[in-house]
Amino acid sequence: DAGVIQSPRHEVTEMGQEVTLRCKPISGHDYLFWYRQTMMRGLELLIYFNNNVPIDDSGMPEDRFSAKMPNASFSTLKIQPSEPRDSAVYFCASSWGNLNTEAFFGQGTRLTVV
Amino acid sequence: AQSVTQPDIHITVSEGASLELRCNYSYGATPYLFWYVQSPGQGLQLLLKYFSGDTLVQGIKGFEAEFKRSQSSFNLRKPSVHWSDAAEYFCAARSNDYKLSFGAGTTVTVRA
Repeated sequence: DAGVIQSPRHEVTEMGQEVTLRCKPISGHDYLFWYRQTMMRGLELLIYFNNNVPIDDSGMPEDRFSAKMPNASFSTLKIQPSEPRDSAVYFCASSWGNLNTEAFFGQGTRLTVV
Repeated sequence: AQSVTQPDIHITVSEGASLELRCNYSYGATPYLFWYVQSPGQGLQLLLKYFSGDTLVQGIKGFEAEFKRSQSSFNLRKPSVHWSDAAEYFCAARSNDYKLSFGAGTTVTVRA
């Protein structure tokens, strides 16, 4: 397996524009996580899914953020409208449905909102 | 509230010296514990994990960690660091709801 695949790797957009980040989890994994990493706040869990269903979205900072998982092999994180303070690295991770298994991380998407 | 704390933001260590990174957790029950490493511009890679059994666990790259229930700690150690160990290290915990939460991270600098 190629691992967790995120696209794009880098995104530069203007304030107010819609941004969509994409993630393909490892095949067979039941859980998918979206994280945001910044210098100030570290790694924040935004939302996670189990079998394509959102379980906890309490980490989503504002209504401008939304995430979907239409099927087991694809998830999106959308920001609309984007703001400069959304600039961060966004990671997607996936894992099997066993508590003692680790999450596998993608390479991340570096988002810059100007 | 459930949390993972890494008290040290930055540690500098000489090449060949030993390294210990601290991690404390605050959970109602013992969570499943992990250590990850992140090199610049990269994703996170698992070093080791603990969920039961022997409290001293071995990981990749010569790392080990010791779980101490009485101290709610899961400290990471390496007897002799290499320049390639310079990176950011994250402790993480997973509770029964499968939520995986991370500490703030510790940046390790290795000096020659």
